[in-house]
Amino acid sequence: GAVVSQHPSRVICKSGTSVKIECRSLDFQATTMFWYRQFPKQSLMLMATSNEGSKATYEQGVEKDKFLINHASLTLSTLTVTSAHPEDSSFYICSADATGSTDTQYFGPGTRLTVL
Amino acid sequence: GNSVTQMEGPVTLSEEAFLTINCTYTATGYPSLFWYVQYPGEGLQLLLKATKADDKGSNKGFEATYRKETTSFHLEKGSVQVSDSAVYFCALYTGGGNKLTFGTGTQLKVEL
Repeated sequence: GAVVSQHPSRVICKSGTSVKIECRSLDFQATTMFWYRQFPKQSLMLMATSNEGSKATYEQGVEKDKFLINHASLTLSTLTVTSAHPEDSSFYICSADATGSTDTQYFGPGTRLTVL
Repeated sequence: GNSVTQMEGPVTLSEEAFLTINCTYTATGYPSLFWYVQYPGEGLQLLLKATKADDKGSNKGFEATYRKETTSFHLEKGSVQVSDSAVYFCALYTGGGNKLTFGTGTQLKVEL
């Protein structure tokens, strides 16, 4: 149980285009989902916290208009990287917690974004 | 604020060697502590956790004990395998928005 999927697993796009990444909880409902960014050989940086039906809460320094997050249902959150640039190339990972009170997050397999 | 400090890697061991990856933390309140593992090209998987002092988390031969007096949660395994090669992240959670605080990760390489 507690499986989180991400799609796509890899994406290559041209500079200036937008890319959407989906995060789904497959066998549970996720009130809260989290989006992280991971640079090579570095730890995870929390970008934003997403609650179903409400606006995402962004961490300091993360551009809201650049990284659009939508959490339309209890099983789906999307991250859209708008007007992508090479510096946005990274590994994006989502996670979800199964209930509002749990201290355990379940992570997706990640999406490798490469912007040319 | 909360923080997690891990030993720097990479840690290179021979198969069947004993593994210790140190983790210490600073936190307000009483955190839950976690070890996550990340295999190449994949997301994070929960390896083990402990929610209160003196608890021992264990899984797949790995274990870690929550030591409040030393604010530590060191990861150990008695005999590593090549398949254990991965990056290991120590993390803590203190509530308030369900945010996890991660350490920088320690890469483990196990050779034959």
